[in-house]
Amino acid sequence: KAGVTQTPRYLIKTRGQQVTLSCSPISGHRSVSWYQQTPGQGLQFLFEYFSETQRNKGNFPGRFSGRQFSNSRSEMNVSTLELGDSALYLCASSFGRTTGYNEQFFGPGTRLTVL
Amino acid sequence: AQSVTQLDSQVPVFEEAPVELRCNYSSSVSVYLFWYVQYPNQGLQLLLKYLSGSTLVESINGFEAEFNKSQTSFHLRKPSVHISDTAEYFCAVSDPSAGGYNKLIFGAGTRLAVHP
Repeated sequence: KAGVTQTPRYLIKTRGQQVTLSCSPISGHRSVSWYQQTPGQGLQFLFEYFSETQRNKGNFPGRFSGRQFSNSRSEMNVSTLELGDSALYLCASSFGRTTGYNEQFFGPGTRLTVL
Repeated sequence: AQSVTQLDSQVPVFEEAPVELRCNYSSSVSVYLFWYVQYPNQGLQLLLKYLSGSTLVESINGFEAEFNKSQTSFHLRKPSVHISDTAEYFCAVSDPSAGGYNKLIFGAGTRLAVHP
């Protein structure tokens, strides 16, 4: 069974540009969550999508947005990039049930560098 | 708001020695607790989890963690570490009762360095 895939693995952008990252969940999973990992702030929850709807949101500015497609693949977009957006962006997929426990499986991440 | 505190940012240890990575969380409600491991240039892997029931949970590679509700702690232990255990370890919590089904709150991480 294929794991969570993220593309691209590495990105270099300049300040002011925008970027789109992609996450393909494990087959059958309907929930995709996104996390930002930086040395200073650690791992922070961005948002979760389930059945094409944002179900949960962290405390990030509106420059960070996402969407999910009918095949559960998800994209996240960051507009007007700032130097502080340089980070490893991780996505995680799960079945997304609202009762009981859903194990989340993480992808390898996309390393974004903003110059 | 929930928070997770990992008391040690780095833990150096010699091979075959025991190790404890400490984790405290702030919540008075029932939560799920996790330990994840991250190897260089990789994503996170679930090491073990506490959902309910027995307060001692074990992983397949010799790690164990004990849930202590009165101390709101979930410390990770291994009686004898290997070089291959060198990695960053993250403690995390989720609160399904608050709608955070898949929202994990992570600690800052503990870098475990095992030396020969």
